[in-house]
Amino acid sequence: QLQLQESGPGLVKPSETLSLTCAVSGGSISNTDHYWGWIRQPPGKGLEWIGSVSYSGTTYYSPSLKSRVTISADTSRNRISLRLTSVTAADTALYYCASAQNFLLNLDRWGQGTLVTVSS
Amino acid sequence: QSVLTQPPSASGTPGQRITISCSGSSANIESNYVFWYQQLPGTAPKLLIYRNSQRPSGVPDRFSGSKSGTSASLAISGLRSEDEARYYCATWDNILSGGVFGGGTQLTVL
Repeated sequence: QLQLQESGPGLVKPSETLSLTCAVSGGSISNTDHYWGWIRQPPGKGLEWIGSVSYSGTTYYSPSLKSRVTISADTSRNRISLRLTSVTAADTALYYCASAQNFLLNLDRWGQGTLVTVSS
Repeated sequence: QSVLTQPPSASGTPGQRITISCSGSSANIESNYVFWYQQLPGTAPKLLIYRNSQRPSGVPDRFSGSKSGTSASLAISGLRSEDEARYYCATWDNILSGGVFGGGTQLTVL
């Protein structure tokens, strides 16, 4: 069974870069019918789609974050990465990675999430 | 402010049937599949409905989804206390060229 596990620093300073990884087990990220996405949830608020990457490396980003975000797939390590530059307090959130089958929003497997706080 | 509008809250008593609406536009709901997620307190979201009305394996048939025009709905019949959660709709928006979630609806089972 596919499992996803996010990891990365829990604290990032304003203006710096947030970097997270999502280790995938129980399946290959090269699976041709899968997309791999990042979603975040500020404390006490709703879900926000950040973006996704396909098995072939094609990326899809939220227009509101597009200028600051990079999502990539490392097939050799079977993991997905998220980079978000120039962070502010508004980027403080629980960050989830998730897999989607056939459709970008068909997010059928989620990691447990990792909390990232932006503060000096 | 999301392009998908959900009521912030809903409530019902055990055994009751309730519906949660998700209102959008021709750029999103009307022209793309809608997905529904359930988020229990302190846990990651769980896919509840995909492609407007399909249930993943393991999701009880008490949960059903529908779509008409620029709106979608999630119905829960035979309400149970364990259904108390936050529910989100999601779809693709052709104008934004990105995925969008509704603001979420907190369901309380009285």
